[in-house]
Amino acid sequence: NAGVTQTPKFQVLKTGQSMTLQCAQDMNHEYMSWYRQDPGMGLRLIHYSVGAGITDQGEVPNGYNVSRSTTEDFPLRLLSAAPSQTSVYFCASSYSSSPSPNYGYTFGSGTRLTVV
Amino acid sequence: DQQVKQNSPSLSVQEGRISILNCDYTNSMFDYFLWYKKYPAEGPTFLISISSIKDKNEDGRFTVFLNKSAKHLSLHIVPSQPGDSAVYFCAASDGQNFVFGPGTRLSVLP
Repeated sequence: NAGVTQTPKFQVLKTGQSMTLQCAQDMNHEYMSWYRQDPGMGLRLIHYSVGAGITDQGEVPNGYNVSRSTTEDFPLRLLSAAPSQTSVYFCASSYSSSPSPNYGYTFGSGTRLTVV
Repeated sequence: DQQVKQNSPSLSVQEGRISILNCDYTNSMFDYFLWYKKYPAEGPTFLISISSIKDKNEDGRFTVFLNKSAKHLSLHIVPSQPGDSAVYFCAASDGQNFVFGPGTRLSVLP
């Protein structure tokens, strides 16, 4: 099925551990991004990429790294997990490097991360 | 300070009536606006959009209105159905990324 696939769906980490959240899309989309959703805060942009080899920071990038070696994959790395990173993480993609007003982004189903 | 605000965290409406969800923004550079719908345990899905050159866009039961001078947009759902119960996010873009509001949880009561 075409779309954005995120793995894992759930994860519990101990403070200080590192991990990678996976995101893959099979729609040949140029643009990919990572958001975190927290109660009362909406979706906040962590990092984004407008194409393979190009990444940039969003609103809340601290504590996260990304890379874009292929068009399909955009993993998000937590370097040293902290309780403040407990959140639901969404990956999104779009055909164009500029968001389209006609269909916006395609989102994955999310990864719920708890840091204890 | 939030650039996109949805001041009503929740809204309850009777089935068949109109649902009106509101969104305010502060950045005058925003020129695309979208509404997303989100069910529990799923990612947000695109619902309807409007660009700043328009003041209204309609798609079936969903209509979005944009008032640029007031920096305000609203989503009207008529008639509301129980399946519309979800969290609705307003999002605005200045051409690169989208900024999302905190969301409004809509409950449509049968």
